[in-house]
Amino acid sequence: DTAVSQTPKYLVTQMGNDKSIKCEQNLGHDTMYWYKQDSKKFLKIMFSYNNKELIINETVPNRFSPKSPDKAHLNLHINSLELGDSAVYFCASSQYRSHGTDTQYFGPGTRLTVL
Amino acid sequence: GQNIDQPTEMTATEGAIVQINCTYQTSGFNGLFWYQQHAGEAPTFLSYNVLDGLEEKGRFSSFLSRSKGYSYLLLKELQMKDSASYLCAASNNAGNMLTFGGGTRLMVKP
Repeated sequence: DTAVSQTPKYLVTQMGNDKSIKCEQNLGHDTMYWYKQDSKKFLKIMFSYNNKELIINETVPNRFSPKSPDKAHLNLHINSLELGDSAVYFCASSQYRSHGTDTQYFGPGTRLTVL
Repeated sequence: GQNIDQPTEMTATEGAIVQINCTYQTSGFNGLFWYQQHAGEAPTFLSYNVLDGLEEKGRFSSFLSRSKGYSYLLLKELQMKDSASYLCAASNNAGNMLTFGGGTRLMVKP
């Protein structure tokens, strides 16, 4: 059984298009995340949601809009795609702790290529 | 600010021991994670240190010194399948935030 799943795995699109990436977790966690991993392999937090509420937004352009319909899903919609958006996007989930961080479990990643 | 440093690449021989170091300067530090990431795959959890000292888990051990802002991951009896990137990540107290280093790419040679 897949714990954290993402679709699609690969996404190739033209500059200026709008695209979405979906993420689902079946671990019963209440916190979900989106990370971006660039060509230099740096993994950077973009957003974090706890029980469908945004708790972290790391100065991501507002072309990126996360949506959490329920605590098992966190989707990422990107408007007006730019070349610099090309990266691997990872979804992750964990159990929320008021102090500190529980282990985060990552999805398989979505490789986005903007042409 | 947040700053995590680890070597970019390391090479070791099958069967040997390798130590991957990580230094961190973060505000509101809570604990230190190590993740393994094979090329083209997701990061997978290896270890989490909150208290000072060594945590051993099979062939892998992780050490933390909070006063020195320093951690290391020790891999024993290296196997070819250990060739991967190893990501050091510091957690803070504010809202489940992880700050990752750039990763250390380990190449294990026969």
